[in-house]
Amino acid sequence: DSGVTQTPKHLITATGQRVTLRCSPRSGDLSVYWYQQSLDQGLQFLIQYYNGEERAKGNILERFSAQQFPDLHSELNLSSLELGDSALYFCASSAQGTSGRTDTQYFGPGTRLTVL
Amino acid sequence: AQSVTQLGSHVSVSEGALVLLRCNYSSSVPPYLFWYVQYPNQGLQLLLKYTTGATLVKGINGFEAEFKKSETSFHLTKPSAHMSDAAEYFCAVRGSRVGGYNKLIFGAGTRLAVHP
Repeated sequence: DSGVTQTPKHLITATGQRVTLRCSPRSGDLSVYWYQQSLDQGLQFLIQYYNGEERAKGNILERFSAQQFPDLHSELNLSSLELGDSALYFCASSAQGTSGRTDTQYFGPGTRLTVL
Repeated sequence: AQSVTQLGSHVSVSEGALVLLRCNYSSSVPPYLFWYVQYPNQGLQLLLKYTTGATLVKGINGFEAEFKKSETSFHLTKPSAHMSDAAEYFCAVRGSRVGGYNKLIFGAGTRLAVHP
């Protein structure tokens, strides 16, 4: 158990809908990362938050957004869902994650999103 | 640009045989390299990492990897495979200053099968 929790474990929804994925980092970790794992794209970095602020952005679609709250949990919002958004979404956390440092990232169990 | 190539999407070995999973990387900055393992329906678990210093890195579950700068490689090995090693293995390199040092760039993964 990495100490990172994600809810829900599974999510089934329809095209055009909006969903919210939730992540709680390990106790004391300040950074949260979101990754998408799909069959065609593999594991891709989406976005990083550090202590409530966006720190780095990857291949995240404009229809997707994220935030990190004062208690350090994070939410990933996916809107106008398309079939191609079906994937496993992982959250990871690390102790710091500030410039110049590369901390070990600990991954949660993921949320499997199915868009029908 | 940062990238990772894992040679062989599927590797099959007999129980007790040597495990060798190959990883080559490209990095515009001194590389930090990681191996993660993903068991079915679970998140990613860190096996080992290389940052600086000793080029032979020992990880959990008897795995080790050697950083070879001249070959831009970070192959994962285990002297004797166990049935419980069957999983998918991902090699990753840290991002660069442009995209953020804490972004992880993953390879496509290698699925390891262990036969009795």
